[in-house]
Amino acid sequence: QKEVEQDPGPLSVPEGAIVSLNCTYSNSAFQYFMWYRQYSRKGPELLMYTYSSGNKEDGRFTAQVDKSSKYISLFIRDSQPSDSATYLCAMSARGSGGSNYKLTFGKGTLLTVNP
Amino acid sequence: DGGITQSPKYLFRKEGQNVTLSCEQNLNHDAMYWYRQDPGQGLRLIYYSQIVNDFQKGDIAEGYSVSREKKESFPLTVTSAQKNPTAFYLCASSIRGADYGYTFGSGTRLTVV
Repeated sequence: QKEVEQDPGPLSVPEGAIVSLNCTYSNSAFQYFMWYRQYSRKGPELLMYTYSSGNKEDGRFTAQVDKSSKYISLFIRDSQPSDSATYLCAMSARGSGGSNYKLTFGKGTLLTVNP
Repeated sequence: DGGITQSPKYLFRKEGQNVTLSCEQNLNHDAMYWYRQDPGQGLRLIYYSQIVNDFQKGDIAEGYSVSREKKESFPLTVTSAQKNPTAFYLCASSIRGADYGYTFGSGTRLTVV
């Protein structure tokens, strides 16, 4: 079983739709959860960050973490053509020495928002 | 503005040649990373460095080498021993560990011709 599973899509939605992107994971030690957005031929940029379980909202974006189900989600409300990108989930466990250097990434979901 | 600069953006290499990819950051971050991205494979860690003059192998270090002589710089050499080097290479940095995520550069596309 892979540590992080993410449906690669592609996902195509009309402008204004609500988009739901998801990842599941197997390592119960993961505590830090992130979503990155990557435009074509660019580096990923950090979109949302969540520690442990719960929700976090930032404008049109909401990140949810359910540690009991080992499931994280990113919701995009009122989606725009400029949201068309690949979305990568990433997560990290706290190391025994206090810091862990490795982020584990999902393979990414390609999203297209059609005008 | 603070950030990570990768150069060049596109690089072509003949088979059998070594090539070095540049990565410079002015964020004052201690840790730096190199990832490789292939279609359908996601991001795979090549090497990372926690501090100057120290680095560790990632998941796919074979055929690659790095150095960390300065805090700001973490160049990656793709050697002729790397059997399938054509890929998109991403450099990243973080304050210390991965807890708060990485800042990525804009990437270098390497093509072997």
